[in-house]
Amino acid sequence: ELKVEQNPLFLSMQEGKNYTIYCNYSTTSDRLYWYRQDPGKSLESLFVLLSNGAVKQEGRLMASLDTKARLSTLHITAAVHDLSATYFCAVDRYSGGGADGLTFGKGTHLIIQP
Amino acid sequence: EAGVTQFPSHSVIEKGQTVTLRCDPISGHDNLYWYRRVMGKEIKFLLHFVKESKQDESGMPNNRFLAERTGGTYSTLKVQPAELEDSGVYFCASSNDPISSYNEQFFGPGTRLTVL
Repeated sequence: ELKVEQNPLFLSMQEGKNYTIYCNYSTTSDRLYWYRQDPGKSLESLFVLLSNGAVKQEGRLMASLDTKARLSTLHITAAVHDLSATYFCAVDRYSGGGADGLTFGKGTHLIIQP
Repeated sequence: EAGVTQFPSHSVIEKGQTVTLRCDPISGHDNLYWYRRVMGKEIKFLLHFVKESKQDESGMPNNRFLAERTGGTYSTLKVQPAELEDSGVYFCASSNDPISSYNEQFFGPGTRLTVL
């Protein structure tokens, strides 16, 4: 059974600090997705990582993918309060590269305090 | 461009009743997905439409759930009869990548279903 595990599940941090969220998965898929969800809102696509070694950055967020280790990281630099949200990683249900449904981690609930 | 919309945003029903959830994908998106998040658990895949055809319905929990996508546009998810364990947030997503190299899915706001 495909598993996606995020760590930590809950994170409270202060503004200005750096931190990393980890996502381990059990499939051989080369694609990994990061989403952000604000309370009561849609899941917003942050990054789509398509291959081993992929690194993408948007503002204070940077995501990377190591398909050999089956590990993705979401790094937060100099956190600000606006980044408080729940962050999900996800992988394709099947490894064939199609338009598959996704398997999600449980999400990391991030609170950034002033 | 309008995003994925879902209706209703909330629904409270009694056990044994029927509920129908609706999803309108982004215009032109052939792929439509349903997911569910039960409180405290992961977001779980339910099924995937390509246009009006069910591509993958392996995530549907049982035969009380029926999904349709008439004409390849909007989709409905009917639960009949509803049970307590069906409570959760039902998300719909769509994507338009025709060669499936990217598979970026755009999510709706969800329908929160409470079964009493």
